[in-house]
Amino acid sequence: ETGVTQTPRHLVMGMTNKKSLKCEQHLGHNAMYWYKQSAKKPLELMFVYSLEERVENNSVPSRFSPECPNSSHLFLHLHTLQPEDSALYLCASSQGDRGGSGYTFGSGTRLTVV
Amino acid sequence: AQSVTQLGSHVSVSEGALVLLRCNYSSSVPPYLFWYVQYPNQGLQLLLKYTSAATLVKGINGFEAEFKKSETSFHLTKPSAHMSDAAEYFCAVGYTGGFKTIFGAGTRLFVKA
Repeated sequence: ETGVTQTPRHLVMGMTNKKSLKCEQHLGHNAMYWYKQSAKKPLELMFVYSLEERVENNSVPSRFSPECPNSSHLFLHLHTLQPEDSALYLCASSQGDRGGSGYTFGSGTRLTVV
Repeated sequence: AQSVTQLGSHVSVSEGALVLLRCNYSSSVPPYLFWYVQYPNQGLQLLLKYTSAATLVKGINGFEAEFKKSETSFHLTKPSAHMSDAAEYFCAVGYTGGFKTIFGAGTRLFVKA
């Protein structure tokens, strides 16, 4: 399998639940990202990992907890979410910090918090 | 602060007509510039990128974009729209040494039969 794979594609969770989003990249990239895409809002960068170390955390609430166990896998652990957290969560990967490599995105996880 | 502005949140064209999606950026250093496309219920897909080589960049699906430094613009064009081009398009700016790519707000393209 190639590219960036995200699971699950859809997730409905209650505000007291705990769930995790998974991202896997098969491209040999060394940087991975979580983005949040809400309706009528620009893409919001949440977290960046380079070589499995977090290099960016954009003031994301602590109810979102990322984990990067190796350069191919990225998780987003969710707990006690709010309805406004409902959105499309996109994972992306890129090669290094050159800025010019561009991102490869997964298809996203559509999260609904009820 | 660096920013990306996409003029027009919605653009509607007829099938076979020229597609022009506008993007302007603010930058104090030479940037890398990208266009991405997003189809419904999908992630973003890289259409093309400018990385300081040729100023006219050709991408997939017949799209191209021209980097104009004097105008700080990177507009996306396609000579003849197809129904399958209906999607949302994002302009983005990246920089050497940084991980933070800045995305525009997106332009939704509608193609009328």
